[in-house]
Amino acid sequence: DIQMTQSPSTLSASVGDRVTITCRASQSISSWLAWYQQKPGKAPKLLIYKASSLESGVPSRFSGSGSGTEFTLTISSLQPDDFATYYCQQYNSYPTFGPGTKVDIK
Amino acid sequence: EVQLVESGGGLVQPGGSLRLSCAASGFTFSSYAMSWVRQAPGKGLEWVSAISGSGGSTYYADSVKGRFTISRDNSKNTLYLQMNSLRAEDTAVYYCAKFARSIAAAGDFDYWGQGTLVTVSS
Repeated sequence: DIQMTQSPSTLSASVGDRVTITCRASQSISSWLAWYQQKPGKAPKLLIYKASSLESGVPSRFSGSGSGTEFTLTISSLQPDDFATYYCQQYNSYPTFGPGTKVDIK
Repeated sequence: EVQLVESGGGLVQPGGSLRLSCAASGFTFSSYAMSWVRQAPGKGLEWVSAISGSGGSTYYADSVKGRFTISRDNSKNTLYLQMNSLRAEDTAVYYCAKFARSIAAAGDFDYWGQGTLVTVSS
């Protein structure tokens, strides 16, 4: 199984900050990586697929990069609606998710 | 508008069984693979099972293999998860999710249901 890790596990930031979350895979997954946002009591929402493609309707302040084993999700200017938990997911093989990164208010 | 509505969750004793359903609308159901993903209370996301658009191919996480069965009825636009021999560690919110770009069971998930809570406890 491909294992996913994320760092940091928690990130405290302010509105307007640039935020970067890192996701690493235990083996190469090419660009088969997605990012999701989840708010408490809600289902996850797809933000980025194939490592860097922005899902329709997602604000352009979200961007993704990377390939192989290391990936990043960047929020260029954090907005109040962005405080949430973010998960990466690989789909090079059976889907596996990272443990999540909680972005909270500094 | 795509909608996925799960039902069938509840409280069940260890060793018991439960069948979850997910009613889909707003897209051509048979053209997309579907999946179940669960989330234990306060924990992260765990993929459980997936099924191809035709229903001919099914896939399971090791943690549920041999106990859970995924199926679909394309005439009813409904996805199912039969859960047998339930354990305390199966307690979670179960989400049904649509694969974004594939009739085969691989990829990212573009739509999710609201989830249904399964609690395994005596």
